[in-house]
Amino acid sequence: KAGVTQTPRYLIKTRGQQVTLSCSPISGHRSVSWYQQTPGQGLQFLFEYFSETQRNKGNFPGRFSGRQFSNSRSEMNVSTLELGDSALYLCASSLEGRTNEKLFFGSGTQLSVL
Amino acid sequence: GESVGLHLPTLSVQEGDNSIINCAYSNSASDYFIWYKQESGKGPQFIIDIRSNMDKRQGQRVTVLLNKTVKHLSLQIAATQPGDSAVYFCAENIPGYSTLTFGKGTMLLVSP
Repeated sequence: KAGVTQTPRYLIKTRGQQVTLSCSPISGHRSVSWYQQTPGQGLQFLFEYFSETQRNKGNFPGRFSGRQFSNSRSEMNVSTLELGDSALYLCASSLEGRTNEKLFFGSGTQLSVL
Repeated sequence: GESVGLHLPTLSVQEGDNSIINCAYSNSASDYFIWYKQESGKGPQFIIDIRSNMDKRQGQRVTVLLNKTVKHLSLQIAATQPGDSAVYFCAENIPGYSTLTFGKGTMLLVSP
């Protein structure tokens, strides 16, 4: 069974631009979560989607948004990029999005904002 | 200027040794735990999980021990190999929380 797939693997953008990241969950998994990981802050939760609906949201500004499609694939978008948005963005999937079930991560998208 | 990063505790071992990585979790009501391995530049890799109704669970070369009395979780890696070098962190499920709570991690360095 293929794991969680994220594209692209690397991105370089400049301040003010916007970016869209893509995630394909493990087949059969209906919940997709997004995390930001930086050396200074560790793993920080962005949002979680289940059945095309955002169920939970972390403490990030509105510039960070996402969506989920009917096939459970998900995208996240960051608009008006800032230098501080440079990070590894991780997508994770699970069967039902319950917090007491296995959560699997993708390899991440490394975003650099110049 | 000086960069402020996440200073992780480091465990250095020799190849072939057994490694024990510890995690102190935050909430006595936590009922589910996961250990992840993260290599540099990669996403966290699921290693093993355990529920609070168990004290011990074994996988391939790994064992997780749960001590609920002192809110302590440990990951034991047998016959550690250079490929085990990575950051290891635990995650706990606190009932009522909408997401897992992740620890900061321990860096494991294995020298040949």
